[in-house]
Amino acid sequence: EPEVTQTPSHQVTQMGQEVILRCVPISNHLYFYWYRQILGQKVEFLVSFYNNEISEKSEIFDDQFSVERPDGSNFTLKIRSTKLEDSAMYFCASSYRVEQYFGPGTRLTVT
Amino acid sequence: QKEVEQNSGPLSVPEGAIASLNCTYSDRVSQSFFWYRQYSGKSPELIMSIYSNGDKEDGRFTAQLNKASQYVSLLIRDSQPSDSATYLCAVGGPGFQKLVFGTGTRLLVSP
Repeated sequence: EPEVTQTPSHQVTQMGQEVILRCVPISNHLYFYWYRQILGQKVEFLVSFYNNEISEKSEIFDDQFSVERPDGSNFTLKIRSTKLEDSAMYFCASSYRVEQYFGPGTRLTVT
Repeated sequence: QKEVEQNSGPLSVPEGAIASLNCTYSDRVSQSFFWYRQYSGKSPELIMSIYSNGDKEDGRFTAQLNKASQYVSLLIRDSQPSDSATYLCAVGGPGFQKLVFGTGTRLLVSP
């Protein structure tokens, strides 16, 4: 069964550094999303992406964040200058219609 | 601000019993409703979707939706210890929109 994949599974970075989180959505899916989950808290929407552009973004998704689909398979989330409060699990999701399927996540630790 | 409310639990049931999980949502224009299962340290796994009022059954799972009361529920029949997890209620608007998640209900099924 097709799955969303994410790399790396765990990323440790220092405050102020740039990180890129990578995702490979399910191949025939058209809609792509990033969510995050701070430890012990709810899953929060960051951004949705369709037809090579952002379709919606949350208040969390400020100028420090960007997304890109650099080729036909990858979908990336870049955080330009990480803060301590960016430490969280970041989940990529994709959908063909309405149902969203989540990848295994990247645990980002900012020190 | 769209809200999705769940009792955090834990909800403890013995093996073989029916577990009943509930969720309310605030946005009346919500059109899609999902239950995800999340094991500790893992990503959300889609287990049920429901879009119209009434019941929808899939194996041991039954989702129930009442749009007038803004209420969604999940019944798990013949609960197994492997069902022990956090169950996340997620609500989406029309079309391919972001999901708003509740904080989740932790279910413990004892042998």
